[in-house]
Amino acid sequence: RKEVEQDPGPFNVPEGATVAFNCTYSNSASQSFFWYRQDCRKEPKLLMSVYSSGNEDGRFTAQLNRASQYISLLIRDSKLSDSATYLCPEPGNQFYFGTGTSLTVIP
Amino acid sequence: EADIYQTPRYLVIGTGKKITLECSQTMGHDKMYWYQQDPGMELHLIHYSYGVNSTEKGDLSSESTVSRIRTEHFPLTLESARPSHTSQYLCASSDSSGGVRGQETQYFGPGTRLLVL
Repeated sequence: RKEVEQDPGPFNVPEGATVAFNCTYSNSASQSFFWYRQDCRKEPKLLMSVYSSGNEDGRFTAQLNRASQYISLLIRDSKLSDSATYLCPEPGNQFYFGTGTSLTVIP
Repeated sequence: EADIYQTPRYLVIGTGKKITLECSQTMGHDKMYWYQQDPGMELHLIHYSYGVNSTEKGDLSSESTVSRIRTEHFPLTLESARPSHTSQYLCASSDSSGGVRGQETQYFGPGTRLLVL
């Protein structure tokens, strides 16, 4: 039973572009949310935690929209090193990570 | 960087062999997890533990077993390896003491890539 859905991707964007992904959830009682990134053949790593109205870390901005029940990840000025799969684990279910959204930044 | 370690990083073994994948964390986390992931596919939870002497099976049916005798150590054992066990195995841990239940950040080890011939 999946309670989180991510943009299907893959996203192929040129260097310097701005790209955004969404992750919709159905558990309205969830209190906190996360974005992870997973590089090819590597382990997932926490990218950002998303609390209350969202947060920003350099080129990355995560937003929470409780009314529409989704979180978003915005990447500005994309770098080649941003190429990865971005995972949105199911809020309130620490076990389900989903398939993620694949991003490829093209030179 | 997360202080969670897995050994071996790569393992090639013949069918029928017994293997143990090691996972250790030095963060004092109470919760630990094992996931299986094939290339390009999603993570599948196979085992988890909420503390010493606590182990549970995950959503993915697995022929492996785990133990949690010490907080920092969560080994996974395959009694008889088969080619269908070929995959990447990822260990993770989280700390439930500071967060909302079910919302803790998980920290992953580097994984073990297993190839069963």
